[in-house]
Amino acid sequence: NAGVTQTPKFQVLKTGQSMTLQCAQDMNHNSMYWYRQDPGMGLRLIYYSASEGTTDKGEVPNGYNVSRLNKREFSLRLESAAPSQTSVYFCASTLVGNTEAFFGQGTRLTVV
Amino acid sequence: GENVEQHPSTLSVQEGDSAVIKCTYSDSASNYFPWYKQELGKGPQLIIDIRSNVGEKKDQRIAVTLNKTAKHFSLHITETQPEDSAVYFCAARKLTNAGKSTFGDGTTLTVKP
Repeated sequence: NAGVTQTPKFQVLKTGQSMTLQCAQDMNHNSMYWYRQDPGMGLRLIYYSASEGTTDKGEVPNGYNVSRLNKREFSLRLESAAPSQTSVYFCASTLVGNTEAFFGQGTRLTVV
Repeated sequence: GENVEQHPSTLSVQEGDSAVIKCTYSDSASNYFPWYKQELGKGPQLIIDIRSNVGEKKDQRIAVTLNKTAKHFSLHITETQPEDSAVYFCAARKLTNAGKSTFGDGTTLTVKP
């Protein structure tokens, strides 16, 4: 049981490049989330998917898009990366009716 | 929306001492308050949580207290050990909000042997 798996773990992009961060969970969870974590700050919600087929904006959605590909997978796309998007990105999942959020190991993204 | 403030940002204690981290929240509708521990290079992991119908909850060396009137909650770690060294985050949300928590900025706890 791997839990929440994120790929890649590290990535360096040039300004303007695009990339997709992948997230998969094997716990049959309904809801999935993408957060970013910046130094000295808590996690800020980018987008979430309450259930398969739905996605909604969180606190800081600008510059990002998401796809809930199926119940297991929730991807985050940066269409044109900017230095302000340098951060550590965490994917998380929860089961409806449950309270605990399970987090992946994170993706450290640097945009130069 | 919800706003969560967490203090202190850094905390250093001697092994065996107690550590207390405090959080305040702004939305009186929030009714679920989890605490997460994040070790270096890893994702946050839930260590304890409390719902608004409870004033205190304990789990071995850790406890959380909630004061709904004052809108603040605290994490207490007793008999600290070096392996307690990590970043701790508080969070708040409504239980009906599909897991959308608002997080505090984190407290870096260092336990000196």
